Amino acid sequence: ELKVEQNPLFLSMQEGKNYTIYCNYSTTSDRLYWYRQDPGKSLESLFVLLSNGAVKQEGRLMASLDTKARLSTLHITAAVHDLSATYFCAVDMGAQKLVFGQGTRLTINP
Amino acid sequence: SAVISQKPSRDICQRGTSLTIQCQVDSQVTMMFWYRQQPGQSLTLIATANQGSEATYESGFVIDKFPISRPNLTFSTLTVSNMSPEDSSIYLCSVRGDRNQPQHFGDGTRLSIL
Repeated sequence: ELKVEQNPLFLSMQEGKNYTIYCNYSTTSDRLYWYRQDPGKSLESLFVLLSNGAVKQEGRLMASLDTKARLSTLHITAAVHDLSATYFCAVDMGAQKLVFGQGTRLTINP
Repeated sequence: SAVISQKPSRDICQRGTSLTIQCQVDSQVTMMFWYRQQPGQSLTLIATANQGSEATYESGFVIDKFPISRPNLTFSTLTVSNMSPEDSSIYLCSVRGDRNQPQHFGDGTRLSIL
């Protein structure tokens, strides 16, 4: 059974700081997705990582995938308040099924 | 990306009743997915719905409790049957076009059972 673990689950940080969210998974997969969820809202797709070594960047967010280590990271650079949300990674387990991590609730304080 | 509409957006229901949630997509898709998100938790896949065949349920979810219909390539329904307070969750449908694209989610149905 595929397990997906995010670390940390809660993160409170100051504006302007950098931080990384980690996503570890237990079995082989070469596709991983990052989503953002704002309170009371649905999920918004952030990144699609399709192969080992894939790196994607959008604004202050950068995601990477190491399939050999079964690890993805979401790096936040110079955080701003608008990035406060819950971030989920999701691993493709085949047949288009996704297994989600627990989510990381990020709060960015002025 | 696909536009996904879910109805109702929220509901408050009595214990023991059933509710059917509708999911409409603006384009034809082969596979649709139903997820549950319990309060403050992550998403768990309930089942995969293919047009013209029975839905495939994940471990812990059964057809009697969560019957699904998929009458065509743009529409699906999920029924939550004989509801109890433990069924209070957000139920989301999702679709994906080709495998290199992310799954896109509807806005969800926020369900509370009294």
